[in-house]
Amino acid sequence: GAGVSQSPSNKVTEKGKDVELRCDPISGHTALYWYRQRLGQGLEFLIYFQGNSAPDKSGLPSDRFSAERTGESVSTLTIQRTQQEDSAVYLCASSLGAVSYNEQFFGPGTRLTVL
Amino acid sequence: GDSVTQMEGPVTLSEEAFLTINCTYTATGYPSLFWYVQYPGEGLQLLLKATKADDKGSNKGFEATYRKETTSFHLEKGSVQVSDSAVYFCALTGYSTLTFGKGTMLLVSP
Repeated sequence: GAGVSQSPSNKVTEKGKDVELRCDPISGHTALYWYRQRLGQGLEFLIYFQGNSAPDKSGLPSDRFSAERTGESVSTLTIQRTQQEDSAVYLCASSLGAVSYNEQFFGPGTRLTVL
Repeated sequence: GDSVTQMEGPVTLSEEAFLTINCTYTATGYPSLFWYVQYPGEGLQLLLKATKADDKGSNKGFEATYRKETTSFHLEKGSVQVSDSAVYFCALTGYSTLTFGKGTMLLVSP
């Protein structure tokens, strides 16, 4: 019954390494979103999953970024060959469906630091 | 594409002062408009929303009115409290994903 959870809460990695970030949405929420929040910036949309439809990947900044979702449950965001500019807080959100007025519930985020 | 512009902060107020945080948007169609708040050390949470023109969203003493003619959704509160100190994000969605402004930090002193 809890909200959206994300793990790890903090991740420090070296430049060039791959990282995986995990998101557990609220049970029953068919829509899942990934955003990136750089220091002092707003949130940037990365990718969106809705049910079994093909994901909307239009926000992914490069082909180093990818995400998967198994059914209507857990999602993993993978960043390959990390760069220092990837340092940010990565936020996951879920909602009941794709309708625009549905509230998105956000997780606490994963703070990624690339050294 | 869609965009949201909100006033830069930080906004510094004394307790019980009146608050306005300006937000204007550019979007095709008829977006829904939102204010999200991020308290220190916590995740983003929805503060209020409005789904059509002239709607007023309200919550916890905060209000915002969807003004289509001025493409604005300004956040107001008549009397702020120290506990309102947070970062406030204006956002819109035309289909499903949210487009956010850069956020405005509010600092309220006793």
